[in-house]
Amino acid sequence: DAKTTQPNSMESNEEEPVHLPCNHSTISGTDYIHWYRQLPSQGPEYVIHGLTSNVNNRMASLAIAEDRKSSTLILHRATLRDAAVYYCILRNNYGQNFVFGPGTRLSVLP
Amino acid sequence: EAQVTQNPRYLITVTGKKLTVTCSQNMNHEYMSWYRQDPGLGLRQIYYSMNVEVTDKGDVPEGYKVSRKEKRNFPLILESPSPNQTSLYFCASSFGAVDSPLHFGNGTRLTVT
Repeated sequence: DAKTTQPNSMESNEEEPVHLPCNHSTISGTDYIHWYRQLPSQGPEYVIHGLTSNVNNRMASLAIAEDRKSSTLILHRATLRDAAVYYCILRNNYGQNFVFGPGTRLSVLP
Repeated sequence: EAQVTQNPRYLITVTGKKLTVTCSQNMNHEYMSWYRQDPGLGLRQIYYSMNVEVTDKGDVPEGYKVSRKEKRNFPLILESPSPNQTSLYFCASSFGAVDSPLHFGNGTRLTVT
């Protein structure tokens, strides 16, 4: 199964943009890139997903490299409530799915 | 309301006493999965199911059983719990399509003494 690697932790100031990177160099052509986040004392929640094109929704934007070997989750204006662990995972139609790595712990400073 | 419901939220039990954690979803999802979360180890997949009567092992299946007799339910069974199964457990579900997001339950905190 294709795996992802993310920095262990990142820090941001409130109301500034945050770019969370993810490497997935062994991604296959049918793998979708999904992002989830886990707030303290809660279950993970869906943030965004994409295949090849950049994606935007009310929570975030997802920028996918042209070769698809990396992607970046963009929070346009970080708030204190965005402090969480962010997970980048791959999903395909075959075999085991939704395998989570350790994620990136984002701290937001006031 | 669309949701994944786990029960119980908290459970304290003793070594060797069989227990079941239930998981139910009301979204007609084909895919369901169980995870455990431990400090420093992140979310690890225990078992998953691609559809009714189709289950497969995840990364840490030892000591656990699952069944998928109906689409909406995916119980996690610990036949003989041990202290190393003390953990926070999450159930999740999704449509089978690769572009479908995963929906998580609120978690079950299990303590085995």
